[in-house]
Amino acid sequence: NAGVMQNPRHLVRRRGQEARLRCSPVKGHSHVYWYRQLPEEGLKFMVYLQKENIIDESGMPKERFSAEFPKEGPSILRIQQVVRGDSAAYFCASSALPRDTEAFFGQGTRLTVV
Amino acid sequence: GQQLNQSPQSMFIQEGEDVSMNCTSSSIFNTWLWYKQDPGEGPVLLIALYKAGELTSNGRLTAQFGITRKDSFLNISASIPSDVGIYFCAGGKDSNYQLIWGAGTKLIIKP
Repeated sequence: NAGVMQNPRHLVRRRGQEARLRCSPVKGHSHVYWYRQLPEEGLKFMVYLQKENIIDESGMPKERFSAEFPKEGPSILRIQQVVRGDSAAYFCASSALPRDTEAFFGQGTRLTVV
Repeated sequence: GQQLNQSPQSMFIQEGEDVSMNCTSSSIFNTWLWYKQDPGEGPVLLIALYKAGELTSNGRLTAQFGITRKDSFLNISASIPSDVGIYFCAGGKDSNYQLIWGAGTKLIIKP
């Protein structure tokens, strides 16, 4: 069984460009969670999605950030007009059960804004 | 916002030594989780605790959910080189998926 797959693993963007981060959950999992991790810090919750629905986006900045989890295909975290402060590791986790604490994490996408 | 204080920040130990780290908070949590993160990887769940006072083991790892529900510790016995990494505690409340994470304890094993 493949685990949570995130791509790209590393992404470099210039200020003002768009970043698109992809997450394919574990097969059969319909719940996806996105987290951000700054260097030397723990993870911070951003958004929780079910297929075609955003359940909770309370941790996601209101501007420039959006997330989707379509019926077909991976979940996408989109950051428009990136700024240096967006540089971080972005992790996706998935679970079979709703609101599940014990979700499985992907390897992350490390975004660097130059 | 809510915070978890995780200590120590880093540990330098000899192979074979026992390791102890803990997390404390001013808030009560319903769930305590301990994760390990290797460089360039995502966190991997080690132990999950759901009840105050609960003591759970996973191989050489033992974790406890504090009676006050405001703290938890993780012990690693007889450390080996592959234990190197960053260990995170995370606390959960009613909406458990919104975990609050500690800043991590970096474990380094001296050769």
